[in-house]
Order: sequence, then structure tokens, then C-alpha cells
Amino acid sequence: DVKVTQSSRYLVKRTGEKVFLECVQDMDHENMFWYRQDPGLGLRLIYFSYDVKMKEKGDIPEGYSVSREKKERFSLILESASTNQTSMYLCATTGGNNSPLHFGNGTRLTVT
Amino acid sequence: QQQVKQSPQSLIVQKGGISIINCAYENTAFDYFPWYQQFPGKGPALLIAIRPDVSEKKEGRFTISFNKSAKQFSLHIMDSQPGDSATYFCAAGLGAARQLTFGSGTQLTVLP
Repeated sequence: DVKVTQSSRYLVKRTGEKVFLECVQDMDHENMFWYRQDPGLGLRLIYFSYDVKMKEKGDIPEGYSVSREKKERFSLILESASTNQTSMYLCATTGGNNSPLHFGNGTRLTVT
Repeated sequence: QQQVKQSPQSLIVQKGGISIINCAYENTAFDYFPWYQQFPGKGPALLIAIRPDVSEKKEGRFTISFNKSAKQFSLHIMDSQPGDSATYFCAAGLGAARQLTFGSGTQLTVLP
């Protein structure tokens, strides 16, 4: 079974703080993704990566950045957290064509 | 721009009934249409998926119906059970890395 581990289940941060969300996968997959999930809006893609040190913007990249220094780890960075970034953040990975997307259990971030 | 529209937002069904969730997409280049199931506290998990070269796919009690000309697809859950109570997301995929665009989600409640 593919295991996607997100380091924190819940996080509470203050406005303006720099926030790191970590994700680790154990399947040697090249493709990793960060989504945010909000009620009524579904899952929206923030950033994705097809390889180490490679990143691509998704649909809502503003206010976020990412880092992928090792194949198994993909980090989402909120440079200066704002209240509108309060959300559930989901990391996902896939091996590519004909391989499903596997999600972690999410990090619920609250920015106060 | 919402490329995948999902309805209804919520659905209540009696045990043994049929649950139907509908999705419509805009981008005709999409070539992969999965449905994900999410239980509280968990990340979404792949339920069933279809490619546009077939009109229907069935796995147990779950069926995807696909209408390429109408750019619509739907999930049918036959003999719905209380254990099916979850949030369901349709999605549309493009490219080998499975970059998915998700619908807004449907919260299904199956009454005992």
C-alpha cells in the first residue's frame, strides 16, 4: 500500500508566521501534489512536482511556495500566513499513467 | 474558472436506495475521469475511474456512466448502505501525471 504521511494533523498559526507543511511518500513516485480542500469548493491544486527540484504552479499558487529537495519529500510553504489560508491541506502522489492519486490524511491549518 | 461542476452538494438516501451524483466538464482534452470517496478525518481514496472510450464501468455496487457528447459523467451507487455515507468527489484528469481537476464534492448520507 502506498503511504503518504503528512507531518501534522492539526496546526494553529498566527497571521504573518512562516508555515511549513511536510509530506513524505514511501513509493518512490516522481509526481507529488499539494491541494487545499474547502467546503463547497472541492479540492484545488496549489503546486505540483514531477521530479526533484522541479515545481509547477497549480490553479491557486498565490501566497504559497514549495520545496522538493528529495524525491520522497514535498514541502508546502506559506511565506506569511493569512486568515484566508485557513483550510485543510492535502498532499498526494502518483506513479503516473494508469496509477491512481494517493492522498495523505491532511493537515488542518488554522491561521488566527 | 470551474472546469468540473458537481451536483448535488448533498444527498440523503434511504438504505437500499440508489444514489446518483452528476458531474459536467468543459475541457474536451480530459482523458481520465475518477471518483474519489472521502470519510471524515481521512484523505480521499480512489473509488472507480473511467476513460472516455467507454460509456459505462461497473465495480460491485458502483457504476460510472459517461456521456462524451454531453460532457457529463455520473456515479451510481446501487443498494446504498450506511457505510457509504461519505463525501464523493468527481475529477477529470489530463496528462500522464494525473493532474486532476476536482468537482466541489457531494456529501452523501445513507439513512439506516
